[in-house]
Amino acid sequence: AQSVTQLGSHVSVSEGALVLLRCNYSSSVPPYLFWYVQYPNQGLQLLLKYTSAATLVKGINGFEAEFKKSETSFHLTKPSAHMSDAAEYFCAVSDRSGATNKLIFGTGTLLAVQP
Amino acid sequence: DVKVTQSSRYLVKRTGEKVFLECVQDMDHENMFWYRQDPGLGLRLIYFSYDVKMKEKGDIPEGYSVSREKKERFSLILESASTNQTSMYLCASSPLTGGYNSPLHFGNGTRLTVT
Repeated sequence: AQSVTQLGSHVSVSEGALVLLRCNYSSSVPPYLFWYVQYPNQGLQLLLKYTSAATLVKGINGFEAEFKKSETSFHLTKPSAHMSDAAEYFCAVSDRSGATNKLIFGTGTLLAVQP
Repeated sequence: DVKVTQSSRYLVKRTGEKVFLECVQDMDHENMFWYRQDPGLGLRLIYFSYDVKMKEKGDIPEGYSVSREKKERFSLILESASTNQTSMYLCASSPLTGGYNSPLHFGNGTRLTVT
């Protein structure tokens, strides 16, 4: 079975500082991994996805994530935080137990950006 | 751009009422999903559908049912609403092509309060 764990339900950074949001996965097969962002009162928007083509994945809004098999991690980073990055971030893994691509989500990390 | 539209942003219902949450997507996607989002729990899958009139239970189907009479529309039904069903409900869709690589496209959510 597949699962993801997000360490840190709340992360606070200063504007201009590095953003690091942690995600560890568990999967018995090569995983397909995703990061989503949710702005207040909105649905989830895809930031990036890992599909085994490259271990460093670049997404929208300057975010990127690195797949590390040895650490079973897929952490999300951004070199310099902006106020507009304040949102909740979800890591997800494909549930490959059936024919339909269902996603299994982590519990989310709420990012606050301080001026 | 894929558009997933949920008919209501906010709903307030009374205990015991039958509640319908509607979702429409405009991209001819085969797969549609209903997730429930609660603080600290992330997103949990209620039901999904991979074709018209086809449905499968997710992780937390108790107290819910679904209907998919047309490809573009997927309805979530609370047969007898209870206060523990107060939550944010998110609808999503994805194409059959792409398999486990396919991201989900989300609507903006319906925040349901049961009193």
